[in-house]
Amino acid sequence: QKEVEQNSGPLSVPEGAIASLNCTYSDRGSQSFFWYRQYSGKSPELIMSIYSNGDKEDGRFTAQLNKASQYVSLLIRDSQPSDSATYLCAVGGGNYQLIWGAGTKLIIKP
Amino acid sequence: SAVISQKPSRDICQRGTSLTIQCQVDSQVTMMFWYRQQPGQSLTLIATANQGSEATYESGFVIDKFPISRPNLTFSTLTVSNMSPEDSSIYLCSVVLAIVTDTQYFGPGTRLTVL
Repeated sequence: QKEVEQNSGPLSVPEGAIASLNCTYSDRGSQSFFWYRQYSGKSPELIMSIYSNGDKEDGRFTAQLNKASQYVSLLIRDSQPSDSATYLCAVGGGNYQLIWGAGTKLIIKP
Repeated sequence: SAVISQKPSRDICQRGTSLTIQCQVDSQVTMMFWYRQQPGQSLTLIATANQGSEATYESGFVIDKFPISRPNLTFSTLTVSNMSPEDSSIYLCSVVLAIVTDTQYFGPGTRLTVL
């Protein structure tokens, strides 16, 4: 069974620091990887997608993919209180479906 | 991306009744999915809504309980039938916009409480 693992947290990070969120997956054949942010009471919102090994940067966000280690991470630089949310890792599971992690709750402390 | 709307945004229902949730997209989409998210939990896929044919249900979900329609490429409905308090949850539709990607975009969700 295809699985995606995340530490549920909460992960507490001081404002202005780097928040590092991690995710591992079980299916070595996976080709697509996503990070979604979900504020309490809201629906998931796509932050980043990554398909190739290495880093992909978008503003304060950097996604890192290592297919050999079956590991994907999200770095948030200069963390702001508005970054406090649950971050969901998702991996392509075929037939356009995504396999979802349980989510990591991130708290940015002012 | 696309504009995805869901109706109703929330509802409180009595056990034994049914509720139909609508998902409308402002452009034609390749795939539509229905998820359930229980409090403090991650997303659970209920089914893939197939245009013009029966939905494809995931293990643990059946058509009699969660009938789904998708009459065209922009609209789908999910019905939660014969509700019990265990059906209290947030129901989300998501869409894939283009055939070359599996990126999903979500509607705002429907918060259902069953008394």
